[in-house]
Amino acid sequence: QQQVKQSPQSLIVQKGGISIINCAYENTAFDYFPWYQQFPGKGPALLIAIRPDVSEKKEGRFTISFNKSAKQFSLHIMDSQPGDSATYFCAGVTGGGNKLTFGTGTQLKVEL
Amino acid sequence: GAVVSQHPSWVICKSGTSVKIECRSLDFQATTMFWYRQFPKQSLMLMATSNEGSKATYEQGVEKDKFLINHASLTLSTLTVTSAHPEDSSFYICSAYTARAGVGQPQHFGDGTRLSIL
Repeated sequence: QQQVKQSPQSLIVQKGGISIINCAYENTAFDYFPWYQQFPGKGPALLIAIRPDVSEKKEGRFTISFNKSAKQFSLHIMDSQPGDSATYFCAGVTGGGNKLTFGTGTQLKVEL
Repeated sequence: GAVVSQHPSWVICKSGTSVKIECRSLDFQATTMFWYRQFPKQSLMLMATSNEGSKATYEQGVEKDKFLINHASLTLSTLTVTSAHPEDSSFYICSAYTARAGVGQPQHFGDGTRLSIL
């Protein structure tokens, strides 16, 4: 059973624009929500993460917005750059990091 | 910090052979290591979880006799695909995690192994 739904499946954004990726979860046992960035042929790399008691977290051009009551969270990439072109995965974590459930992924392409 | 090294990065072998993939945490001790499988344009699917010195826990549908996992130390886990067949061709990724740094620590991923069975 897919416990983390992610949308859109693919996204094209112009350079300098804002990329927005949304995730929704069902499992209220998730206690940590990371976002991973994956380039072709590479493993996922942790981008930014948030705990459910925080509504927003910002690191540089990357911001997570978290809505606990709606069980939704989103990644905003400000001033998107061609180098941001990658696949992004949201995830929910239980067991203090011991169990990670990935979303379905979003393939982002930033065009010049 | 938190570097995970996976080797080899790419392997091609004949059907029926066994292939071993290594996953090492280079600068931290991993209390738990995970093995994932990823098909093209799909998400990562957890195959198994292994804790140092104990037997791996396999996800439903994963054949434990086909995918042998050994976690002999806090810095090394291996995945052996036994008698590999073309349907086993995939991208295999490991990750490492330490509970010693406290709750809510992320998993750190290796760069994956592209396995192609001819």
